[in-house]
Amino acid sequence: DTAVSQTPKYLVTQMGNDKSIKCEQNLGHDTMYWYKQDSKKFLKIMFSYNNKELIINETVPNRFSPKSPDKAHLNLHINSLELGDSAVYFCASSQQRSWDTEAFFGQGTRLTVV
Amino acid sequence: AQTVTQSQPEMSVQEAETVTLSCTYDTSENNYYLFWYKQPPSRQMILVIRQEAYKQQNATENRFSVNFQKAAKSFSLKISDSQLGDTAMYFCAFMKHLAQKLVFGQGTRLTINP
Repeated sequence: DTAVSQTPKYLVTQMGNDKSIKCEQNLGHDTMYWYKQDSKKFLKIMFSYNNKELIINETVPNRFSPKSPDKAHLNLHINSLELGDSAVYFCASSQQRSWDTEAFFGQGTRLTVV
Repeated sequence: AQTVTQSQPEMSVQEAETVTLSCTYDTSENNYYLFWYKQPPSRQMILVIRQEAYKQQNATENRFSVNFQKAAKSFSLKISDSQLGDTAMYFCAFMKHLAQKLVFGQGTRLTINP
């Protein structure tokens, strides 16, 4: 059973298109995240949601719109894709309000914009 | 804002040797967590070890141990008896208590040679 699963694993699309990445966690966690890993492998938080509520938006362009229909799902929709959006996008989840906190990551989605 | 610095972009050792990866961080917080994540070529982010700042004892997980120096804001990872499967990118990460994001270092690419 995969704890945090993302689909698709690979996504190749043309500039200007709109695409979505889906994420689901079966760990019962209350917080979910999107991280972006650039071509130099640097990982940075994009968004975090706690109980479906947006908590963090790290100055991400408006073309990126996360949606959390319930605690177990956090999807990422990207409008008008640009070449610079090419990266690996990771979904993660954790349980907050706990000293035993740990983030579990999905396998990543490699997005290539051509 | 917190920052995490990994000063070794790449390291390479022979199988069975011991290797230490460096990490320093900057924060004014007193309650926080530190993590080492491993990212093998499969791209999956795997938690290696976690340290709570309030704990003075260094965390250990089998062949992996940390040297946590709170005053110096240093958090190095020691891998003993290194194995070929340890070849991966290693990321040091910081999280403030009850914050909903990890702050990552730039990563260290570790290669274990046969």
